[in-house]
Formats: sequence, structure tokens, C-alpha cells
Amino acid sequence: GESVGLHLPTLSVQEGDNSIINCAYSNSASDYFIWYKQESGKGPQFIIDIRSNMDKRQGQRVTVLLNKTVKHLSLQIAATQPGDSAVYFCAETTGNQFYFGTGTSLTVIP
Amino acid sequence: ETGVTQTPRHLVMGMTNKKSLKCEQHLGHNAMYWYKQSAKKPLELMFVYSLEERVENNSVPSRFSPECPNSSHLFLHLHTLQPEDSALYLCASSQEARPGQRQYTFGSGTRLTVV
Repeated sequence: GESVGLHLPTLSVQEGDNSIINCAYSNSASDYFIWYKQESGKGPQFIIDIRSNMDKRQGQRVTVLLNKTVKHLSLQIAATQPGDSAVYFCAETTGNQFYFGTGTSLTVIP
Repeated sequence: ETGVTQTPRHLVMGMTNKKSLKCEQHLGHNAMYWYKQSAKKPLELMFVYSLEERVENNSVPSRFSPECPNSSHLFLHLHTLQPEDSALYLCASSQEARPGQRQYTFGSGTRLTVV
């Protein structure tokens, strides 16, 4: 069946370091991927997306990398700040289906 | 504030109660959604409304009943719930309902506890 998973449920990083959050997907036909951030007491918030015809996309302090060969997606956060502490979800679209991962909880240590 | 407002933020209800969750979006979007978020599980899509018509209903028990009176408002009517229905219920909207086109804007959710 379809699965969108994350390699680690929790991640702790020192403030100022870079963070890398990983996501694996199983369907090679997936053509659109999104990263969401969910802070405590809030709903998920769109961070960045990437289509399957791209390998890399950059935003403000965030970069998403897509490796279709191994069906792997990563979110890189540069110079991680305390405000980056949250749960991060990846999501993918395959045809008429839209799947979310379970999330990685990122904790930034001051 | 994301432009999608959910009320109430917290709700505790008994298994025999009837309650409703409300969602309102101020973004001019044409599609609205209900999602269920349980601990350590992926978000589960419950219902999709596009242009006020229900276009998806993902095997949700009949004790959950959605209503979309217009493109800005979405309700989830709850009746005879079970303790396992306790979760965070998220409303979202987007400009396009097709999965490949969805860029969700989520509300902050209603934390529901069934006792």
C-alpha cells in the first residue's frame, strides 16, 4: 500500500546549526510533494513544495531535496532558530490521492 | 491567523451528546476539507467539499455529518461519538479540490475529547 514515512520521529538540534528532516515515499508515480510545519496548538502550515520534475527547491532558510531514484524527500533548515521547533510533515500526491506522513518533532536547543 | 478559523478550540462531550464544529475561511477558496489528526498517525482526510458539493467521503462513520452551506463555511455535526473519536479535527481550504492542485490552508483545529 501507499506509505509516506519519516526516518526519525524526533530530532534535536542546537540553535544555529542546520537541520535535516527526511521523508520516504513508496509510490514512484508521486508527482507533487509538500512540507508542512505544525507548531503546538496550531494547524499545519505550508512551508515549501516541489514537483517531481525538479530535484531541489529553495525558500527562505529552507531547501527541499527530492531523490526520485530512492524515493526520498528531505527538508533542510539553515541556521535553525527556536521558532523552528515544531512537528514537520511531508505530504505527497499521486493521481487522485493525497498522503501525509506521521511527522518529525524538531526541538531546537538554545 | 491563517484565514481559516475554527470554533470551538476545545470541546469535551459525552457519548450521547450532539455538538457541531464550525469552520470559516476568509480566503475566497472554493474547496474545504475536514481532517482528523490522532497521535502518531498521519492526517486522515474525512470529507472534501468543492463548490459546496461533497466530492469525497472517505469511509467516515455516519456519526460524523458534514454540512457546507456556502463556500466560506463548513460544519461537522457530531452525534453519539465514541472515545476513539477523540482527536484534533482540522479544517482546511484550498483554491482547487483536485489532489494534485491542493495547497491547503489549515485552521488551528478543534481538540475534541469524548468521555
